[in-house]
Formats: sequence, structure tokens, C-alpha cells
Amino acid sequence: NAGVTQTPKFRILKIGQSMTLQCTQDMNHNYMYWYRQDPGMGLKLIYYSVGAGITDKGEVPNGYNVSRSTTEDFPLRLELAAPSQTSVYFCASSKPGTTNTGELFFGEGSRLTVL
Amino acid sequence: AQTVTQSQPEMSVQEAETVTLSCTYDTSESDYYLFWYKQPPSRQMILVIRQEAYKQQNATENRFSVNFQKAAKSFSLKISDSQLGDAAMYFCAYELTNEKLTFGTGTRLTIIP
Repeated sequence: NAGVTQTPKFRILKIGQSMTLQCTQDMNHNYMYWYRQDPGMGLKLIYYSVGAGITDKGEVPNGYNVSRSTTEDFPLRLELAAPSQTSVYFCASSKPGTTNTGELFFGEGSRLTVL
Repeated sequence: AQTVTQSQPEMSVQEAETVTLSCTYDTSESDYYLFWYKQPPSRQMILVIRQEAYKQQNATENRFSVNFQKAAKSFSLKISDSQLGDAAMYFCAYELTNEKLTFGTGTRLTIIP
């Protein structure tokens, strides 16, 4: 059971470039999330999805886009990368039903640097 | 908006000793959930312990226990018999029913051999 898988683990981008962070989970979780973690800060929610075809903005959505065409996949797209998007990105999923159980399953993270 | 505050950026403890990590939160709600997550150096975050606000009894999971003070809006994590593998960033998190998790800024725990 792979859990939540993110790729790539590391990436360096130039300002203005675009890229997609991939996230897939094999636990049949309805809920999926993208967080960013800046040094010395907690996790900030970028986007989330409660099921295939449904996405919604979190706290810091500007500069990002997501899609959820399948239950398993939740890619995060960065358009026109900026230095402010240098961060570690985490994808997570949670169990079917409500999020009240609170147990998010996280990927290993993707460290993105924009120069 | 709910906020979660972890006032200890770093803590250290001798191996086999006990350490307590602090967390306070701000909410006007009465029904919610609180969590401690652990992020080891490998970076994959895992759930350590969960507390439902309606339960008066403090949650425990082996060497990990919480001190939940609802009136004071305090939720500390106690780690007993600290082990080298406990070294990690620890995040406190709050969740209102059917809402998203709000995380604190984390406490880096170092275990001294």
C-alpha cells in the first residue's frame, strides 16, 4: 500500500516557468489537499478537494491551480513561478466521509526552489 | 478565524526523560477536534494523537498523552520515556467539524543521548 505519492521530490524553477506537482493516493480517499510549508511556519492550505470534479480554494491559492479528474489524482499547477513560491509542498488525503477523523495521510513532500 | 499557537519553537530533552510541548488555540466553538502531528526529518507527517473536545478524558497513545484544558484552550503533548526516534517537528492542529485543519507553527524537538 503506497499511500500518498508525490513527484517530483525536488525541483528548481526559473522565474516565469510553469510546472505541475503530481499527487496520487491509493486509499480511495475522497478528500485531498495541497499545503505549503515555509521555513518556521505551519502548513498553509492552498487548495483542497472533497471528491472527483470538486475543488475549492484554501488560504493561499493565488498563483496555483488544481484539478481532480479522478479520485486518485490531485495535481497542483504552478503558473508563472515566482520566488515567493519557494517552499515545501505537501499533498495529503483523508478518509472517506467527513474530515472529522482529522487523520490526514501525507506525502513525503516536494521541495521547490524558484530562482 | 481559528488560530493555533505553539510558543516553543524548539525544545530538547534527555533520552528517557519526559517533555511537554505546549499548544493554545483560539475558538468560539464548543465542538471541535485537536491533533498532534509529528514530522520526522524524512518529512512525511504522521498523526500522533487526537482529542475530541466533547470528551473530558485526556487521550493517550502509549508514551504520548495530552493535557486538554478546554476552558483555558490549551492542548499540551507529553512524551514520556523520550527516545531518539521522537526527534522531529511537532505540529498542533485544530479542526472544526466539517472544516479544514489549522496548524500551528511547530516545535522542533531534539533528543539528547
